[in-house]
Order: sequence, then structure tokens, then C-alpha cells
Amino acid sequence: EVQLVQSGTEVKKPGESLKISCKGSGYSFTNDWIGWVRQVPGKGLEWMGVIYPGDSNTRYSPSFEGQVTMSADKSISTAYLEWRSLEAADTAMYYCARRDDSYGWGAFDFWGQGTLVTVSS
Amino acid sequence: DIQMTQSPSSLSASVGDRVTITCRASQSISYFLSWYQQKPGRAPNLLIYGASTLQSGVPSRFSGSGSGTDFTLTISSLQPEDFATYYCQQSFITPQTFGQGTKVEIK
Repeated sequence: EVQLVQSGTEVKKPGESLKISCKGSGYSFTNDWIGWVRQVPGKGLEWMGVIYPGDSNTRYSPSFEGQVTMSADKSISTAYLEWRSLEAADTAMYYCARRDDSYGWGAFDFWGQGTLVTVSS
Repeated sequence: DIQMTQSPSSLSASVGDRVTITCRASQSISYFLSWYQQKPGRAPNLLIYGASTLQSGVPSRFSGSGSGTDFTLTISSLQPEDFATYYCQQSFITPQTFGQGTKVEIK
């Protein structure tokens, strides 16, 4: 069974750093892109970018490039999303999802449960 | 970036109704269009990919159609568990943008 399990809720202050995680299981983690999606409370879904764990190749949305860093450790089947200096505007739910490029036409077929990040002074 | 525009933004419907949601891309995306359902407090769930292919385990009352720039999600007979927000997403080119969502509410 394919599963993506994300790290838990975070409460941070502006200016702090943060790294959240997404651990995959039940499939070959290195062979599928992992995407990150932001959802501000009460708002829609925003595509942040994708990473290919096999070689850590990344594709960022221009809206998020330079604001976050995606990385992966294929030895432990885990992808990461990192901020160097959080802002209140980063308060949101963050989802990771597997992108199916084989038969799925690039759709996100499996999703993590989400990590809620709250940034407040 | 490719802009994805859904209509309507919200709708009210009754159990048993046929519901149609449309999604328009700002440029041609071939068949690289997916639909997701999201319920409050839950992660999105893939319903349709490749514009018209039903994801495994999704009820057959859901169907998708379209190509190029215009796409449709249809629920043939709305069930109580279908009240949720629906999003389209293009996967033709990065950034793989989502539509703004359509909230389906109980009439």
C-alpha cells in the first residue's frame, strides 16, 4: 500500500527556520516525483514544486522559488520542505503528494495527511 | 503560467441532482487535466486523470471529459458524501497549476 506520512504540526515565530518531512512507503520512492502543495486556511490549492528523489532534481513554481527549498534523502525515502526565515504569510497546511507520470498523466495520485504550519509572534 | 479557471465557484444542489463543473485552461493542455475532491480537514483525493480516466476506487457516477482548453467534471447523481470542494489541475507544464475550486453545497 502506497503511503506518504508527513511530520506533525509546527508552531513557529517569524524569522525562525523550519524543515518538514514526507516519508514514502509501499512503492519505489526514487522513481516518482514528489510534489508539495500549499493551502492557506480557507483558500485553494497552490502548486509549490516537485522533486525527483532519485537524483534530487527539482522544479519550483516561480511563486515559491527562493522562498523554500525542497530536498530528499532517498536512503530513508523521505522528502523535505524547508524555510530559512518564516513569515506570518507562510501559515498554511502543506501537503506532499506522489506524481504519477507513468499512467497517471502527471496527476497526484497519493497524498500525505498534511502538515499544519503556524507562524505567529 | 497556465491559468486554470473553474466555474462556478460554488453551487447548491440536492441529492440525486446531476452536477457539472467546468474548467478552462488559458492555453491548450491536451489531456493533461486531473480532478480532485477535498472534504474539510482532509487531503485532496484524485478522482479523474488524463481528463477522463477514473481513478481506481472512485464511484462511476463521476466522469470527466474534454481536451485542449475546456474540460468538464460531471457527477451523474449527487450523493450525500459528494458535498465537498472540487479542484482541477493541469499537469502539462510546470508550474502545474490548480483551478480556484468549486464548492458543492447542499440545497
